[in-house]
Amino acid sequence: SQTIHQWPATLVQPVGSPLSLECTVEGTSNPNLYWYRQAAGRGLQLLFYSVGIGQISSEVPQNLSASRPQDRQFILSSKKLLLSDSGFYLCAWRGTGNTEAFFGQGTRLTVV
Amino acid sequence: AQSVAQPEDQVNVAEGNPLTVKCTYSVSGNPYLFWYVQYPNRGLQFLLKYITGDNLVKGSYGFEAEFNKSQTSFHLKKPSALVSDSALYFCAVRDRTGGFKTIFGAGTRLFVKA
Repeated sequence: SQTIHQWPATLVQPVGSPLSLECTVEGTSNPNLYWYRQAAGRGLQLLFYSVGIGQISSEVPQNLSASRPQDRQFILSSKKLLLSDSGFYLCAWRGTGNTEAFFGQGTRLTVV
Repeated sequence: AQSVAQPEDQVNVAEGNPLTVKCTYSVSGNPYLFWYVQYPNRGLQFLLKYITGDNLVKGSYGFEAEFNKSQTSFHLKKPSALVSDSALYFCAVRDRTGGFKTIFGAGTRLFVKA
């Protein structure tokens, strides 16, 4: 069966520090991968999606970037965090044969 | 542009009563429609989906949803609410013509009182 791992679960980082959040999927090949941000426990904003290794589509201009160095690995990064980067970050995957996406457990990022 | 509206920030219902969480969408063509549930500090869990066929879709934990094409709605329902159903519910859509992006509504918080 397929599983998705996202870590860390919580992170507190100072303003101006770098960020790296990692997401990996097991039990599937060539998934579509997604990074969402959820602010204040409400709606989800799509940040990035990837349909293959090295292929990244950015949805909104921001202080973040994403990379997909391996088929089942998706990384969210920042060189210098801003206070406004605080939020709940969710990774998701969808198989080519699936209609729905499946989510990781999320990372709560607090920038101080 | 695709969009999803969940007109209610919060829905309150007594345990044992039926519940409805509303969702309307604006997508060209025939989208896939989804409902997800989120518990505090957790990821989203998939509840159910509409692809084609019967307008009433049954999902996990006794939830069902009714697709109405003319009203572009996909309301989530449950005949008898439980306190443990209290959570944040998201409606979502994805364009079935090769769309990669799933678009989510703002979420509706459901409170079920004992």
